[in-house]
Amino acid sequence: GDSVTQMEGPVTLSEEAFLTINCTYTATGYPSLFWYVQYPGEGLQLLLKATKADDKGSNKGFEATYRKETTSFHLEKGSVQVSDSAVYFCALSEAGNKLVFGAGTILRVKS
Amino acid sequence: NAGVTQTPKFQVLKTGQSMTLQCAQDMNHEYMSWYRQDPGMGLRLIHYSVGAGITDQGEVPNGYNVSRSTTEDFPLRLLSAAPSQTSVYFCASGDSYEQYFGPGTRLTVT
Repeated sequence: GDSVTQMEGPVTLSEEAFLTINCTYTATGYPSLFWYVQYPGEGLQLLLKATKADDKGSNKGFEATYRKETTSFHLEKGSVQVSDSAVYFCALSEAGNKLVFGAGTILRVKS
Repeated sequence: NAGVTQTPKFQVLKTGQSMTLQCAQDMNHEYMSWYRQDPGMGLRLIHYSVGAGITDQGEVPNGYNVSRSTTEDFPLRLLSAAPSQTSVYFCASGDSYEQYFGPGTRLTVT
């Protein structure tokens, strides 16, 4: 079945550092790919998405590019802030609605 | 526009007790779903519904029941709680473009 693997955390960075969180996937078809963010005590929010190969999703300074050849969707941000501290989930969907999630990566940003 | 609401926020149950987690949405979405979140495992799909009167099982349905009598509501029932059901439960609604998540219910079964 479909699966998503993302790098284990926690990832601890200083403010203004560059962020990469790796995500790879296994799917039988051509899924849509997502990054969700969960701030402490809250539900998940969609951060960005990409629906086909070579698409780049971007939002709030975060970017991720759908790489079909490497089955990857790595999340990047050029300069993180303390307010970016959260749990980040990579996910895919083949059926339009049902999501398959990775385990989540905790990001801690120190001032 | 409240989005997706869940009640209660916290619940402690004893083994064998039953309860219902409530979920409601006001966005007129046909699709609704329940996930559980466990450390190191991400979110896993329990049950989902593609419209009133239609439900189906997800990845981890055992021990849970659902029904969908209206577009707005999608309650999740634990028939006989077990410690393995200690988790954070999220309800979501959406369309093929985006899923919107509720704030979650933290359930502890002792």
